[in-house]
Amino acid sequence: AQSVSQHNHHVILSEAASLELGCNYSYGGTVNLFWYVQYPGQHLQLLLKYFSGDPLVKGIKGFEAEFIKSKFSFNLRKPSVQWSDTAEYFCAVNTYLRDDKIIFGKGTRLHILP
Amino acid sequence: DVKVTQSSRYLVKRTGEKVFLECVQDMDHENMFWYRQDPGLGLRLIYFSYDVKMKEKGDIPEGYSVSREKKERFSLILESASTNQTSMYLCASSLGSQETQYFGPGTRLLVL
Repeated sequence: AQSVSQHNHHVILSEAASLELGCNYSYGGTVNLFWYVQYPGQHLQLLLKYFSGDPLVKGIKGFEAEFIKSKFSFNLRKPSVQWSDTAEYFCAVNTYLRDDKIIFGKGTRLHILP
Repeated sequence: DVKVTQSSRYLVKRTGEKVFLECVQDMDHENMFWYRQDPGLGLRLIYFSYDVKMKEKGDIPEGYSVSREKKERFSLILESASTNQTSMYLCASSLGSQETQYFGPGTRLLVL
């Protein structure tokens, strides 16, 4: 079965620090990759996605992620975080396998200290 | 904008009760999903549906059933609620099975 690993369960940073959240998946074929975010009290929503093309994708609120196929990774980055980035972040992977389903990582809780 | 609504934000039920969680989407999406979200476990797929009257088991279907009589509505049913089903339940929809999922606000269910 395919799997998604998020290495950091809980991250605490100060404002203006740089952020990188790790995401690795186990499938070697074609994948669609997503980062979703859940701000406190709000819906889970899409932050960015990769389907094909440029492996460096940009999302909302200054976030970006890089797909590195050789490393089976899709790490999320932001050069300078803000207090409002406090949220839970989920990496997700879809393959094109028959009957396969999107798989979510267990999430990373990010706390930004003002 | 896609809108996914869930019938209740908070629900308190007693062990053994039958529980219905309703989800409605307004964007004519083919696919609908039910997840439960628990701290440290992320999102786990309970059931999904890729068409009216079609359903597929997800990773944790035990103790749950679903119904999709109309394209826009996907119901999750707990036949006999148990305390280990206390959780946040999230509904989502997507146009294609590989596409972005749009989530509802969630229903926080407490089973006493």
